[in-house]
Amino acid sequence: DQQVKQNSPSLSVQEGRISILNCDYTNSMFDYFLWYKKYPAEGPTFLISISSIKDKNEDGRFTVFLNKSAKHLSLHIVPSQPGDSAVYFCAASGGGNKLVFGAGTILRVKS
Amino acid sequence: EPEVTQTPSHQVTQMGQEVILRCVPISNHLYFYWYRQILGQKVEFLVSFYNNEISEKSEIFDDQFSVERPDGSNFTLKIRSTKLEDSAMYFCASSVSDEQFFGPGTRLTVL
Repeated sequence: DQQVKQNSPSLSVQEGRISILNCDYTNSMFDYFLWYKKYPAEGPTFLISISSIKDKNEDGRFTVFLNKSAKHLSLHIVPSQPGDSAVYFCAASGGGNKLVFGAGTILRVKS
Repeated sequence: EPEVTQTPSHQVTQMGQEVILRCVPISNHLYFYWYRQILGQKVEFLVSFYNNEISEKSEIFDDQFSVERPDGSNFTLKIRSTKLEDSAMYFCASSVSDEQFFGPGTRLTVL
C-alpha cells in the first residue's frame, strides 16, 4: 500500500536550522493530513494537522504546508532542537476515520 | 494531560493461544482504533469502533480478531488463535474528531 509515501528514510540537520520533512500521497479522496512524532518504544504523538481546504497551518515551531495539485505536504520545524530527533510519520485520512501512514523519516538534529 | 494507556506493555504467547490487549482511551473520546506495526514496516490500520460497533475494518482484521468495549472505560482487542505473523506492536488510539491520540503500544511476541 503506497498511498502515502515518505521518500527520505532519514534527515540530519544542525541545531537551530530548519528541518523540512516531505510526504507525497496518491489518493485524491484524502482530505485530512496529520504529522506524528515517535520515539522508540513509545506510541506516535500527534504534532500538527491540516485540512485539504487550507494550504498552511502553523503551531509554534511547526508549520505544515499542503500542495493539493502536487499531492504533496511538508512539515517545517524551525528552529530545530536536539529534542526533535525522532521518527516523523505523515498520515492521511479521507471518507472515514482510518489513518493511512507513511513509512516515516528519521530526523537527527545535531548540536 | 489525559492520555491513552495500554496494558500489558509486552505480551509473549505461544502460537495458537488467545491474547487480549487492553486499552483505556481518553475519557471524553468517542472513536476508538487499533493499529499495528510489524517490525520494519508501516503503521497499519486494523479497526475503528464507534457507538459500540465496528465502523470500519481492514483486510488484516479477519475472524481471528475481535474488539469490545466491555465497560465505560476499557477497549480491548482479542486475537483468538495467534500466528507467528501476528508479532507486532499494537497501538490503541482514540479521538473526538480528526486528530487521533495514540497509546504507548503493546509489543506482542508470538513464539
